[in-house]
Amino acid sequence: AQSVTQLGSHVSVSEGALVLLRCNYSSSVPPYLFWYVQYPNQGLQLLLKYTTGATLVKGINGFEAEFKKSETSFHLTKPSAHMSDAAEYFCAVSEGGYQKVTFGTGTKLQVIP
Amino acid sequence: DAGVIQSPRHEVTEMGQEVTLRCKPISGHDYLFWYRQTMMRGLELLIYFNNNVPIDDSGMPEDRFSAKMPNASFSTLKIQPSEPRDSAVYFCASSFKGRGRNLHFGNGTRLTVT
Repeated sequence: AQSVTQLGSHVSVSEGALVLLRCNYSSSVPPYLFWYVQYPNQGLQLLLKYTTGATLVKGINGFEAEFKKSETSFHLTKPSAHMSDAAEYFCAVSEGGYQKVTFGTGTKLQVIP
Repeated sequence: DAGVIQSPRHEVTEMGQEVTLRCKPISGHDYLFWYRQTMMRGLELLIYFNNNVPIDDSGMPEDRFSAKMPNASFSTLKIQPSEPRDSAVYFCASSFKGRGRNLHFGNGTRLTVT
């Protein structure tokens, strides 16, 4: 069975500082991994995804994530936080090719001016 | 492309009433998902369809919940009778066939059952 663990339900960073949101997954087969962002009163939007190939994945708004199989991790990073990055971020997993996607519990990112 | 369209955006109803949530997926998408989001349980997959056929409804909480997809451009999620614990934001999402295709979410329906 697939599952996702996001460490830290709330993360605060200063504007311009590094953003690091942690995600660990469990999957019995090679996973497909995703990060989604949710702004208030909106649905989720895809930030980036890993399916196969290069383990460092670049997404929108300057975010990137690295798939580390040995650590079963898919942490999300951004070198310099912007006020507009304040939102809730969800890590998700789909067991290779399967359409059913399981989401983590989410991490709310606060950016302090 | 208009994206996934859900209606209504907000629904307030009394316990015991029937509630119907509606979703129009993105044209050409062949998978449709219904999710429920609450503070306590996060995002839960309720049911999903492929080419209008229900594939997995193991997440539907109980018999009070039912979902249909009569055609490729419309789906409903019905709760009858509704209970206060059904209060949540319900999201519809669609995706295109293939491996690991990303989900396109609607803006959700916020349901409050009093």
